Amino acid sequence: SSELTQDPAVSVALGQTVRITCQGDSLRRYYATWYQQKPGQAPVLVIYGKNNRPSGIPDRFSGSSSGNTASLTITGAQAEDEADYYCKSRDSSGNQWVFGGGTKLTVL
Amino acid sequence: QVQLVQSGAEVKKPGASVKVSCKASGFTFISHYMHWVRQAPGQGLEWLAVINPSGDRTTYAQKIQGRVTVTRDTPTSTVYMELSNLGSEDTAMYYCARDNSARDNSGKSHWWFDPWGQGTLVTVSS
Repeated sequence: SSELTQDPAVSVALGQTVRITCQGDSLRRYYATWYQQKPGQAPVLVIYGKNNRPSGIPDRFSGSSSGNTASLTITGAQAEDEADYYCKSRDSSGNQWVFGGGTKLTVL
Repeated sequence: QVQLVQSGAEVKKPGASVKVSCKASGFTFISHYMHWVRQAPGQGLEWLAVINPSGDRTTYAQKIQGRVTVTRDTPTSTVYMELSNLGSEDTAMYYCARDNSARDNSGKSHWWFDPWGQGTLVTVSS
């Protein structure tokens, strides 16, 4: 079982805002990192650190954190945002890494 | 450009071993930790291992500890992952990824995987 918990599926209407959450005790100590994965492709980094976007990631993607919960927010979701999203952090021991189970985002 | 190119797909019989390679280019290989992550069909991402820049320290996921060995070769900028005693549960896409780290203004460290290799499909079947 994963030390990071994500909702398996979330949907959002085109152009609306959606929040994808990730819960885990290690998030009280470490930032979550967020990855986007589309079918048949390798994961792509979308958010790292407190709220940093790599070049090429649209500014509609943002990250935040409170207590044991990290969130990825997409403001004005687009059809191309439909994908699986994974959070990642160090585990509670700090010695290994762990991924959340992933959230499948559907854009309606 | 910065990229990781992995070796091709493998088909192995149960009990066999597989060695997957990941060749780095476009960045200073010896400056980065390197990770391995896998994804079983229809499943989520699973972190497997990390190796330090000098190649003398590794950390493995408890689930596969004892069956996995990660090494790296500096002259060829290549990292390897060998998994032994394969079972059907090891059928998965295997990815390598470069580790990056920084400390923010508050002094808090954070780490991210970027880029990722294209993946190597390992199929275990009798």
